[in-house]
Amino acid sequence: EVQLLESGGDLVQPGGSLRLSCAASGFTFTTYPMGWVRQAPGKGLQWVSAISSSGGDTFYANSVKGRFTISRDNSKNTLFLQMNNLRADDTALYYCAKGDETGVRETDYWGQGTLVTVSS
Amino acid sequence: DVVMTQSPLSLPVTLEQPASISCRSSQSLVHRDGNTYLNWFQQRPGQSPRRLIYKVSNRDSGVPDRFSGSGSGTDFTLKISRVEAEDVGVYYCMQGTHWPYTFGQGTKVEIK
Repeated sequence: EVQLLESGGDLVQPGGSLRLSCAASGFTFTTYPMGWVRQAPGKGLQWVSAISSSGGDTFYANSVKGRFTISRDNSKNTLFLQMNNLRADDTALYYCAKGDETGVRETDYWGQGTLVTVSS
Repeated sequence: DVVMTQSPLSLPVTLEQPASISCRSSQSLVHRDGNTYLNWFQQRPGQSPRRLIYKVSNRDSGVPDRFSGSGSGTDFTLKISRVEAEDVGVYYCMQGTHWPYTFGQGTKVEIK
């Protein structure tokens, strides 16, 4: 059974940093691209970032480019999102998402999310 | 970015009656590889999204056959042939052709 367990969400002040983690199990992690999607409270879904199976290719939404960094440790089946210079509009539930054979363009499993709140 | 526009945004339905959600994209979703990467997700209250449909019309394993997807180019539809109580939630279309991938605003399905 595919499981994605996010952690690292917290209350942080504007300008602060957080590192999110996603522990994956139940599938061959090294084979699949992964990504992060966020959902602001009561709002819709927004792609944040994606990474290829090897980690060699990364993609970012314009709103986070230069502030967020996605990475993965294939030896530990873990996906990361380093978030710097956080702003109030980054407040959201952050989901880890697994891509399928075509990439994250067709994510087939999502975690339960970890909540990031940016507020003074 | 590709804008995905869903309608309606709210859909009250009677149990066992059909329901239909429209999703339109601001540009063609036909990828250079010939595929059209249009997905449909269901988000039940308090849960994370679950994929129902991929590549316009392919139903995921375990998804009831009352759900169907159709469309092409820029115009897509999700249909529920007979709504059941467990179908209550928000439905999102998502395009996976042009990065950044984008979602529709969501359609809230509720029982009348």
